Amino acid sequence: DIQMTQSPSSLSASVGDRVTIACRASLSLYTYLNWYQQKPGKAPKLLIYATSRLQSGVPSRFSGSGSGTEFTLTISGLQPEDFATYYCQQSYSTPWTFGQGTKVEIK
Amino acid sequence: EVQLVESGGGLVQPGESLRLSCAASGFIFSSFRMNWVRQAPGKGLEWVSYISNTGTPIYYADSVKGRFTVSRDNAEDSLYLQMNSLRAEDTAVYYCARGYYDVLTTNDAFDIWGQGTLVTVSS
Repeated sequence: DIQMTQSPSSLSASVGDRVTIACRASLSLYTYLNWYQQKPGKAPKLLIYATSRLQSGVPSRFSGSGSGTEFTLTISGLQPEDFATYYCQQSYSTPWTFGQGTKVEIK
Repeated sequence: EVQLVESGGGLVQPGESLRLSCAASGFIFSSFRMNWVRQAPGKGLEWVSYISNTGTPIYYADSVKGRFTVSRDNAEDSLYLQMNSLRAEDTAVYYCARGYYDVLTTNDAFDIWGQGTLVTVSS
């Protein structure tokens, strides 16, 4: 199985900050990498698919980059509604696997 | 409105069975791949199973292979997960999630999720 490792596991940031979350895969995913946002008690929400493609309706302050084994989710100008847990997920091969999550908290 | 609604969760004892359902609405269910994803209390996300829009192929996580069976009824716009020989480690919120296949990138993602149904396995 492909192992996905996110860093950091948690971070504290202020409204307006630029936030970067890293995701590393145990083997090359090319660009088969997705990002999700989950708020407490809610289902996950797809933010970005295929490394850098913004899902419809997602604000443009979210962006993704990377390829191979190293990927990044960036939030440019953190908003109050962005405080949540973020997961990366590889879609290169089954079993599809998720990172352990990165919790973004208010500083 | 595009919507997925899970049902069938509950408290069961180890070794017992449970059948989850997911009712789809607002889209052409028969055109989409579907998945089950679970989340143990306070933990991360774990993909459980995939079923194509036609019913085959089907894939499972190793942790549930041989115990869980996914199926769908396109006439009823419904997805199912039959869970047998349940274990304490199967305790989780189970989400059904629509598979989004992007033709341009050939990438799969989970674009629509239900609200989840809680399965608790405990004696």
